[in-house]
Amino acid sequence: AQTVTQSQPEMSVQEAETVTLSCTYDTSESDYYLFWYKQPPSRQMILVIRQEAYKQQNATENRFSVNFQKAAKSFSLKISDSQLGDAAMYFCAYRSGSGNTPLVFGKGTRLSVIA
Amino acid sequence: DGGITQSPKYLFRKEGQNVTLSCEQNLNHDAMYWYRQDPGQGLRLIYYSQIVNDFQKGDIAEGYSVSREKKESFPLTVTSAQKNPTAFYLCASRAPPGGGYQPQHFGDGTRLSIL
Repeated sequence: AQTVTQSQPEMSVQEAETVTLSCTYDTSESDYYLFWYKQPPSRQMILVIRQEAYKQQNATENRFSVNFQKAAKSFSLKISDSQLGDAAMYFCAYRSGSGNTPLVFGKGTRLSVIA
Repeated sequence: DGGITQSPKYLFRKEGQNVTLSCEQNLNHDAMYWYRQDPGQGLRLIYYSQIVNDFQKGDIAEGYSVSREKKESFPLTVTSAQKNPTAFYLCASRAPPGGGYQPQHFGDGTRLSIL
């Protein structure tokens, strides 16, 4: 079974600075997708960024980018120019490429942004 | 606006009582999922359904039951056999595979507590 590990339960960053959240995963599959979701205090799950495993180019979405290292099974999230609104729980998730298989989530990293 | 509606937002259960959490989507998605969220545990899969009248157990299905009689609806029943039901429950859905790496869309959740 696939597993997702987020080794940092909590992180903090100064406003306007850059922070990187770590995620590693374990799989024997070659076709899969990776996601980062944000959960603010409202508890709504918001998709931040996604990556297809067969694409070598790292995904970017405005201030959010990933460092996808397929051989190392690592999928870290970098947040640049951190804003107060970035404070939230961040979940890394894995999905097999076949069918409508469910997401497998890590335990999350709580990010605090210091003004 | 298309989306996923979970109700109620807050629910209280008495000892020995079954309660049902509602999840309705108007996104025309085939697949639907139920997750349970506990502090420090991330999101764990309870049940999922890839098509009407079919569903599969997730990692923590004991004490829960589901039905999928309509494409739009995927209710979750927390039975009296679930001894520790206090948690935040999230419902999600996903478009059919193909045509890109579709993410899961989430409802706003139901908070269940024991009286």
